[in-house]
Amino acid sequence: EAGVAQSPRYKIIEKRQSVAFWCNPISGHATLYWYQQILGQGPKLLIQFQNNGVVDDSQLPKDRFSAERLKGVDSTLKIQPAKLEDSAVYLCASSLTGKYTGELFFGEGSRLTVL
Amino acid sequence: ILNVEQSPQSLHVQEGDSTNFTCSFPSSNFYALHWYRWETAKSPEALFVMTLNGDEKKKGRISATLNTKEGYSYLYIKGSQPEDSATYLCAFINNAGNMLTFGGGTRLMVKP
Repeated sequence: EAGVAQSPRYKIIEKRQSVAFWCNPISGHATLYWYQQILGQGPKLLIQFQNNGVVDDSQLPKDRFSAERLKGVDSTLKIQPAKLEDSAVYLCASSLTGKYTGELFFGEGSRLTVL
Repeated sequence: ILNVEQSPQSLHVQEGDSTNFTCSFPSSNFYALHWYRWETAKSPEALFVMTLNGDEKKKGRISATLNTKEGYSYLYIKGSQPEDSATYLCAFINNAGNMLTFGGGTRLMVKP
């Protein structure tokens, strides 16, 4: 079974530039999550999708971050314009349901460095 | 925002040592607790999902216990091996919310 795919693995940009990350979840998984993991901290949920609808985006900085999952399968997370404090690993995860009694399956992450 | 604490932040042990770490979470309205292992340059991998007070789970040399009344879970590794070197993350959700909150992780380094 193919795992969660993410790209790019690494990205270096200057502040005020834009960046986009892509995620393809495990086939059949209805729930998709984007997490931000800043060095030394635990992953923080940015947005959770159930199929193509947003379940929770309360911690997404909406002035600069956006995410979509148009067809209920793959997803894109965009940052525009980037700030220094956005340097982090962006993890995508998926699960069969959004009930949390089952595990999340994570991708390898996209490491962003903002200079 | 829920407070999930993990201790210690980092741990260095010798190969063959047994070790354990703690995850503390709010004791009210417990719903589920997850443990993940995150090796460098790999994806976080689920170890356990625990839902019942008193639950004990085991996978090879790794085991976990859960006390929902006092709000803690222990992760044990018996006879640590260099391949156990990773960051161990716990994550908690209560039945009042729909967001899994992660602790800061315990970074384990096992020296051969």
